[in-house]
Amino acid sequence: GAGVSQSPSNKVTEKGKDVELRCDPISGHTALYWYRQSLGQGLEFLIYFQGNSAPDKSGLPSDRFSAERTGGSVSTLTIQRTQQEDSAVYLCASSLVGPSSYNSPLHFGNGTRLTVT
Amino acid sequence: GENVEQHPSTLSVQEGDSAVIKCTYSDSASNYFPWYKQELGKGPQLIIDIRSNVGEKKDQRIAVTLNKTAKHFSLHITETQPEDSAVYFCAARALGGGADGLTFGKGTHLIIQP
Repeated sequence: GAGVSQSPSNKVTEKGKDVELRCDPISGHTALYWYRQSLGQGLEFLIYFQGNSAPDKSGLPSDRFSAERTGGSVSTLTIQRTQQEDSAVYLCASSLVGPSSYNSPLHFGNGTRLTVT
Repeated sequence: GENVEQHPSTLSVQEGDSAVIKCTYSDSASNYFPWYKQELGKGPQLIIDIRSNVGEKKDQRIAVTLNKTAKHFSLHITETQPEDSAVYFCAARALGGGADGLTFGKGTHLIIQP
């Protein structure tokens, strides 16, 4: 079946502009995660959604970052007033259930490469 | 919080030889350790995982070992092939310990020389 879909695949924006990144998780997956991958670095956790519960925003680096998940499915990550240090690949992942289950591996999308000029 | 260290950052091996990537973690509560393979332009894909009640797990040419006492785990790839070239990430998570998902290592770029 279809995997996690992210759009756009690439985004170039000017410093100070706002950007929206979209994630379509695998159908039926209740958990959705956003990660950031900077060049030569590992994956940095940003935010986690589980069903209808309040999201865990503990990984968001600043108040310029926000995310929402509508109807328990599609999620949008918004970065306001982008800075050059925001340049990275933003990865979305979904899992059938949340982190309390062994049998719930993360399935990643191919990411959105964001470049802030 | 959890801290995961991964070594080496780059590993070059001859085709057919074995490759070993090592990770250490800091949180003794961590009990789930997956490995992901990321090919160029794609997202990470789970290739194998191990739980803390198991010391070793194999899947064809791939194996993972875990030493809970020393808090380290390793990925072993035998009979390497060109398609094994990719970036590999280890990760650790304390299941049920919170909603912050996995803590990843910084990755190992594995290069298979023909």
